[in-house]
Amino acid sequence: LAKTTQPISMDSYEGQEVNITCSHNNIATNDYITWYQQFPSQGPRFIIQGYKTKVTNEVASLFIPADRKSSTLSLPRVSLSDTAVYYCLPLPLRWAGSYQLTFGKGTKLSVIP
Amino acid sequence: SQTIHQWPATLVQPVGSPLSLECTVEGTSNPNLYWYRQAAGRGLQLLFYSVGIGQISSEVPQNLSASRPQDRQFILSSKKLLLSDSGFYLCAWSPEPVEGNGYTFGSGTRLTVV
Repeated sequence: LAKTTQPISMDSYEGQEVNITCSHNNIATNDYITWYQQFPSQGPRFIIQGYKTKVTNEVASLFIPADRKSSTLSLPRVSLSDTAVYYCLPLPLRWAGSYQLTFGKGTKLSVIP
Repeated sequence: SQTIHQWPATLVQPVGSPLSLECTVEGTSNPNLYWYRQAAGRGLQLLFYSVGIGQISSEVPQNLSASRPQDRQFILSSKKLLLSDSGFYLCAWSPEPVEGNGYTFGSGTRLTVV
């Protein structure tokens, strides 16, 4: 698993756009950038995945530059319910269940009223 | 649809007491099953995973053990709890092979060892 670096924490006011950047200098050619979201006292859940350029879904957008050494998760107009820990994971598109998937500390986003 | 059940939601246990946490999955066959632990202020740590009945792999040496007596049942146990076992325990399942969106976590058990 490629090593990743992301901010430990971020604060944002409601209604603002939040961008969380993750560095993954040694990402493998086959790896996709995958982001998970973990609300307090819950398990993580998948929110978005991409390989290059930009991916958008109903939750977030993911920007990946051409060199793929970093990626930025963008949350538009955050609300209090977006307060969570966000994990960046470079992962193959698919893998065997015996692959040891671990989550780092992630970025703790606190949305302020 | 597939669902994952984990219980209990919270647990307070004295040091030296035994532990049994149970996780079951519905709506799928032969899932991969995982136990994770999250200590306060730390990331998720993979404890055990299982790709089939009776097949358990341990990632971290500790006084915990896991068992998979049935295809969709995963149990985390300890004979004698330590204070350091306190944390948030999460069970998860995935299909085989796994894809990026393929991990589904249970609601977790908050364990406090006193």
